[in-house]
Amino acid sequence: QVQLVQSGAEVKKPGASVKVSCKASGYTFSNYAMHWVRQAPGQRLEWMGWINAGIARYSQKFQGRVTITRDTSASTVYMELSSLRSEDTAVYYCVRSGGDYWGQGTLVTVSS
Amino acid sequence: QSVLTQPPSASGTPGQRVTISCSGSSSNIGSNPVDWYQQLPGTAPKLLIYSHNQRPSGVPDRFSASKSGTSASLAISGLQSEDEGDYYCAAWDGGLNGLWVFGGGTKLTVL
Repeated sequence: QVQLVQSGAEVKKPGASVKVSCKASGYTFSNYAMHWVRQAPGQRLEWMGWINAGIARYSQKFQGRVTITRDTSASTVYMELSSLRSEDTAVYYCVRSGGDYWGQGTLVTVSS
Repeated sequence: QSVLTQPPSASGTPGQRVTISCSGSSSNIGSNPVDWYQQLPGTAPKLLIYSHNQRPSGVPDRFSASKSGTSASLAISGLQSEDEGDYYCAAWDGGLNGLWVFGGGTKLTVL
């Protein structure tokens, strides 16, 4: 069965970077793009970007701060967010294109 | 960033039919399929409806959706207590260099 398993919760200080991983299994990894979506406490779901056939595209809001990469040999996608601020405290999800499978979510807390 | 507009809350009693609206624009709902997600407390969103009114395997036919112009709606018939949660609409906005936009979510309460 399809599974997206994300790395564990992180606590970071303002100005630091965080890298979240998403390991896919149960399907042909290279056949699907992967999105990253985040949800701050009490806020709407917010799209950050995606990687499709090795090419990443980002929401203008996060351009310059977010980098999405993939390791096809490991069936894993990574999302790195830099220059963290308190407003980046959120649960971060990887989502297979089509929206049918989501990772379990990774809580990133930014606090001094 | 373009967003979709949903009512913050909705409610109904068991067995009732409830609808949730989602308003967008010509660049998103007006030109792309609409998906609906259900998010139960403490869990990741779950795809409920895709491409306007298609249900993934396992989603009961109590859930249906429709679209007209730049608006869409989700209908839940035969409301059950386990339907209580948050519901989000979503659509792609723009072309290949576009972005995925979401509604603000509607909290459904089963009275």
